[in-house]
Amino acid sequence: GQNIDQPTEMTATEGAIVQINCTYQTSGFNGLFWYQQHAGEAPTFLSYNVLDGLEEKGRFSSFLSRSKGYSYLLLKELQMKDSASYLCAVRHNQAGTALIFGKGTTLSVSS
Amino acid sequence: DSGVTQTPKHLITATGQRVTLRCSPRSGDLSVYWYQQSLDQGLQFLIQYYNGEERAKGNILERFSAQQFPDLHSELNLSSLELGDSALYFCASSPQSGLAGTNEQFFGPGTRLTVL
Repeated sequence: GQNIDQPTEMTATEGAIVQINCTYQTSGFNGLFWYQQHAGEAPTFLSYNVLDGLEEKGRFSSFLSRSKGYSYLLLKELQMKDSASYLCAVRHNQAGTALIFGKGTTLSVSS
Repeated sequence: DSGVTQTPKHLITATGQRVTLRCSPRSGDLSVYWYQQSLDQGLQFLIQYYNGEERAKGNILERFSAQQFPDLHSELNLSSLELGDSALYFCASSPQSGLAGTNEQFFGPGTRLTVL
């Protein structure tokens, strides 16, 4: 089976940097995704890691360590609009190409 | 706008009833996925279709079924509804079924189902 853990809630202030951690236990790992979801809306794709290391995309970066079963999403220069839920998801090579999601981390950004 | 459409946006029905949720994938995408999102369980994978064929199954109840039609749109049928089936149901699409590359999934706006 698969198990994905991430903190339930985090808070931060505008302009700050926040790191959201995700740990997973799964066999047949084939990629880790981060999605952003605003309340009541559809998840939107943020990043993808399949090899170890850091992927940077603007204010957002994502890191993966396959040996540790660990990933993080780094958000820089936080803005109020970054208040959302951040979902860590693993693609498993025996589940088609479906994603197995963690329960998400709700990030609240205050001024 | 992801390019994935879902209808209806909201659905209110009673226990024991049957409903059909509809999804049209992005133009050119062959894979369709269905997910259920409830407050306590998070986003859970139900089933995947690729070019009309079932590709993978997740935590889908026997009361639920789905299909993908030749024009690639998909329907999720929920029957003998229970209070616990109240949730947001998302459809997502991606270009391929293989594991190569990102093959990211694009999510539709969801159907909010309320069972009374």
